[in-house]
Amino acid sequence: DVVMTQSPLSLPVTLGQPASISCRSSRSLVHSDGNTYLHWFQQRPGQSPRRLIYKVSSRDSGVPDRFSGSGSGTDFTLTISRVEAEDVAVYFCMQYTHGPFTFGPGTKVDIK
Amino acid sequence: QVQLVESGGDVVQPGRSLRLSCAASGFTFRNYGMHWVRQTPGKGLEWLAIIWFDGSHESYAESVKGRFTISRDNSKNTLYLQMTSLGAEDTAVYFCVRGYYGGNTDFDYWGQGTLVIVSS
Repeated sequence: DVVMTQSPLSLPVTLGQPASISCRSSRSLVHSDGNTYLHWFQQRPGQSPRRLIYKVSSRDSGVPDRFSGSGSGTDFTLTISRVEAEDVAVYFCMQYTHGPFTFGPGTKVDIK
Repeated sequence: QVQLVESGGDVVQPGRSLRLSCAASGFTFRNYGMHWVRQTPGKGLEWLAIIWFDGSHESYAESVKGRFTISRDNSKNTLYLQMTSLGAEDTAVYFCVRGYYGGNTDFDYWGQGTLVIVSS
């Protein structure tokens, strides 16, 4: 199985400041069709996961443009350009290039 | 709007069975693959199973293969997860999640989850 790791696991941030979360996979996530199937999700307290980013860098409808995704191969990053109070949540990366699909352990973002 | 509503979660004894349901609305259910994913505080999010849009193909995580069965009834817009030989390790919140229909729909909508507790 592809192992997904994230760092840091906890990220205290100052409102208005940027935040970055790293996600690494144990093997390349480039599919034979040329796409890289790496999602990012946000899970606020008491809620279900919400997809923010699909295929590394495409933002879902309604997701603020302060969220961006980047990376390739085995190394990926979710960046929040200016953290707002509503961004307090756990963020997960997930790969669905290789079965079984696997998730990272999550990064908890909260306000300093 | 897309809605996925899980039901069927309960407290069950080890070794027993349970069936979860997921009622879908707001989209053409029969066109989409569907997944089940579970979440525990200890193991985090774990993908469990996928079923093709027409039910013709299924795939499972090793942890549930042979014990869990994913199925669907497109006439009722409903997804199911039949769980057997439950153990304490199956205690989790179970989510149904929308899957593929061309484009980029995989994992784009999640239900609110239903809690399964396996305990004697």
